[in-house]
Amino acid sequence: KAGVTQTPRYLIKTRGQQVTLSCSPISGHRSVSWYQQTPGQGLQFLFEYFSETQRNKGNFPGRFSGRQFSNSRSEMNVSTLELGDSALYLCASSLGREREAFFGQGTRLTVV
Amino acid sequence: SQQGEEDPQALSIQEGENATMNCSYKTSINNLQWYRQNSGRGLVHLILIRSNEREKHSGRLRVTLDTSKKSSSLLITASRAADTASYFCATGSNTNAGKSTFGDGTTLTVKP
Repeated sequence: KAGVTQTPRYLIKTRGQQVTLSCSPISGHRSVSWYQQTPGQGLQFLFEYFSETQRNKGNFPGRFSGRQFSNSRSEMNVSTLELGDSALYLCASSLGREREAFFGQGTRLTVV
Repeated sequence: SQQGEEDPQALSIQEGENATMNCSYKTSINNLQWYRQNSGRGLVHLILIRSNEREKHSGRLRVTLDTSKKSSSLLITASRAADTASYFCATGSNTNAGKSTFGDGTTLTVKP
């Protein structure tokens, strides 16, 4: 069974640009969560989608948005990039509540 | 602030020794998961323990959960150099669907 796949693995963007990251969950998983990991703040929850609906959202500005498609694949978008958005972005998929969440390898975003 | 706090922040041991990491959290949980992360890569799921469980085993891993003390521990027996990584606990609750709240992690170094 294929794991969680995130693309691209690495990305370099300029301040002010926007970026879209993609996450393909494990087959059959309908829940996809996104996290930002930085050395200073650790792992911070961004949002979670289940069956194309956003069920939960963390404390991030509106520049961070996401969506989920009918095949459970999810995208995350960050507009008007800032230097502080440089981070490892991780997505996780699970069958649902109280089930194991499995993570992808992450997308390393560098904003210059 | 982060829900979970791992202790110690860093641990260095010799190959063959046991390693114990602790996690404390602040609010009621439904489950707690332990993850391993190698040098800025994705998170590898180790064990999920539910709030009505006290102990779980998986190979060389043993996890305990004490909900009265709001704490969990991860024991790695007969450690190997390949166990060198950062270890995180993540809590989940019914009131926060799809969200895991992570601690800051314990960095384990196993010397050959």
